Amino acid sequence: DTAVSQTPKYLVTQMGNDKSIKCEQNLGHDTMYWYKQDSKKFLKIMFSYNNKELIINETVPNRFSPKSPDKAHLNLHINSLELGDSAVYFCASSSRTSGYEQYFGPGTRLTVT
Amino acid sequence: AQSVSQHNHHVILSEAASLELGCNYSYGGTVNLFWYVQYPGQHLQLLLKYFSGDPLVKGIKGFEAEFIKSKFSFNLRKPSVQWSDTAEYFCAVNADTNAGKSTFGDGTTLTVKP
Repeated sequence: DTAVSQTPKYLVTQMGNDKSIKCEQNLGHDTMYWYKQDSKKFLKIMFSYNNKELIINETVPNRFSPKSPDKAHLNLHINSLELGDSAVYFCASSSRTSGYEQYFGPGTRLTVT
Repeated sequence: AQSVSQHNHHVILSEAASLELGCNYSYGGTVNLFWYVQYPGQHLQLLLKYFSGDPLVKGIKGFEAEFIKSKFSFNLRKPSVQWSDTAEYFCAVNADTNAGKSTFGDGTTLTVKP
């Protein structure tokens, strides 16, 4: 059973388009995250939700909008895609009881042309 | 604010060599410390973690790390690396009071030559 899953795995789109990435976890965790990993492998947190409430919102363009319909799902919608948005986006989940150890999804490689 | 510094950006070793990757963090309170590994083309997965207790922690695949509180360090070690250890290694810190926010270092690329 996949603990943290993301769809799609690959996403190729043109500048100006709007796209969404979906994430689901079946670990019973109460906290979920979106990270962006750039071409140099730097990993930066973007957002975090705890029980459907936004608790971390780093300096991210407002073209990026997360949505958590329930605590097992966290989606990321990106408007007006730009070349610089090309990266790998990882979803993760954790819980306080496990010291916020991060469980990562397989990643979505977004390429904007 | 918490921060993490990994000193080595790219390390190249031959098989059977010993490995030590440096990690220092900046935070005045109690922290949880982690090392994650990312094999080529894959997602990050946990190598080992430190919450409390014995400062020498052992993880998967023969890795270990030592928490030295006075130095704010959590260095990763392995006595004898294998070609399959070629990967990106990330140190991370999480302060329990920080709403579950983990801060990651910039990563160290380890290349092991056969």
